[in-house]
Amino acid sequence: DQQVKQNSPSLSVQEGRISILNCDYTNSMFDYFLWYKKYPAEGPTFLISISSIKDKNEDGRFTVFLNKSAKHLSLHIVPSQPGDSAVYFCAASVMSNDMRFGAGTRLTVKP
Amino acid sequence: DAGITQSPRHKVTETGTPVTLRCHQTENHRYMYWYRQDPGHGLRLIHYSYGVKDTDKGEVSDGYSVSRSKTEDFLLTLESATSSQTSVYFCAISASGKGGYTFGSGTRLTVV
Repeated sequence: DQQVKQNSPSLSVQEGRISILNCDYTNSMFDYFLWYKKYPAEGPTFLISISSIKDKNEDGRFTVFLNKSAKHLSLHIVPSQPGDSAVYFCAASVMSNDMRFGAGTRLTVKP
Repeated sequence: DAGITQSPRHKVTETGTPVTLRCHQTENHRYMYWYRQDPGHGLRLIHYSYGVKDTDKGEVSDGYSVSRSKTEDFLLTLESATSSQTSVYFCAISASGKGGYTFGSGTRLTVV
């Protein structure tokens, strides 16, 4: 069963606008959430994370929001740039090494 | 860049043959992981290691075995490759077991 779900396989936005990538999870025991970015022919790169005791974490243009009651997290990229075009994976873990990943969302930022 | 390399980068093998993929790190990190990436599934954990000779199964471990005889090397073996094991395999490392992992560039394996 897929405990971490990214229901949008793709997203297209205009340069300078906001990109919002969404992720839902089913396991209420998850206590740590992460976003990774992946370019073709490369491994995923860690982008930003959030602990379950917080509801927001910001790092430059990237902000992750966590809504525990809805079991939902989102990644906001503002402003979006063409170099942000990549596949974004949401991931979650339960104080262990079993990190679960979503299927990914392909973001395209158009100039 | 974090010192993690995977070899080979590409491999084509026949059904029924054994295959070994290698992950090498120069960071002296305790934790090492093997994932496979398939369309519609994201990344799924195969096996991980929390120290030399200490390994455990992940979500999709059937048909795979691992070994870690040195801190820097983590080997993934397909004892008898099947077409369902055609995938892109990623190795990852972590100092603490939590936080963001550092991934290698991947090995694309095709079983024909």
